[in-house]
Amino acid sequence: GENVEQHPSTLSVQEGDSAVIKCTYSDSASNYFPWYKQELGKGPQLIIDIRSNVGEKKDQRIAVTLNKTAKHFSLHITETQPEDSAVYFCAASRSGYSTLTFGKGTMLLVSP
Amino acid sequence: NAGVTQTPKFQVLKTGQSMTLQCAQDMNHNSMYWYRQDPGMGLRLIYYSASEGTTDKGEVPNGYNVSRLNKREFSLRLESAAPSQTSVYFCASIRDMIIGELFFGEGSRLTVL
Repeated sequence: GENVEQHPSTLSVQEGDSAVIKCTYSDSASNYFPWYKQELGKGPQLIIDIRSNVGEKKDQRIAVTLNKTAKHFSLHITETQPEDSAVYFCAASRSGYSTLTFGKGTMLLVSP
Repeated sequence: NAGVTQTPKFQVLKTGQSMTLQCAQDMNHNSMYWYRQDPGMGLRLIYYSASEGTTDKGEVPNGYNVSRLNKREFSLRLESAAPSQTSVYFCASIRDMIIGELFFGEGSRLTVL
């Protein structure tokens, strides 16, 4: 089955800095890579996703990049703000009635 | 819209007791999931239901049973709770399993003494 490794497990940055979280996956047939944000006491919520037919996707301060050859993808957050503090999960799956496999999560702390 | 609603939010059990976690979604989604979240372990899939009338095991099904009661409701039962089942449980739903956004409930924190 799929295995998703996520690094780092914790990340502390100053407000305004950039943050990068990296994930690798094992199943070369995986073609869907979402990122979820979990705020304290809440359930995870989708913030951005990418499919294997594109290499990069941006949404305001958030971007995701995908390298299918190396089987890794990354989340980039620019101009971080205190409200970006949360746990972020990457995930991977195949299309067509497949379940998501999640990484272990990264706790991001943005200090004012 | 309530989205995905889980009950109870908190529960304390003694070893060997049984209980059922309830989940309901009001988005007319076909597929529903139960995950558990433990520190340093991420989200691990317990069981899922691709559509009404079907259920399948996930990564960590031992000690659990599920029932897809109807399209809206998917319950998780612990028949004989063990301390290893102390965790935060999340229910989630998706329109269908062919790539889309998972919508999560707010979680149920279970402690087994």
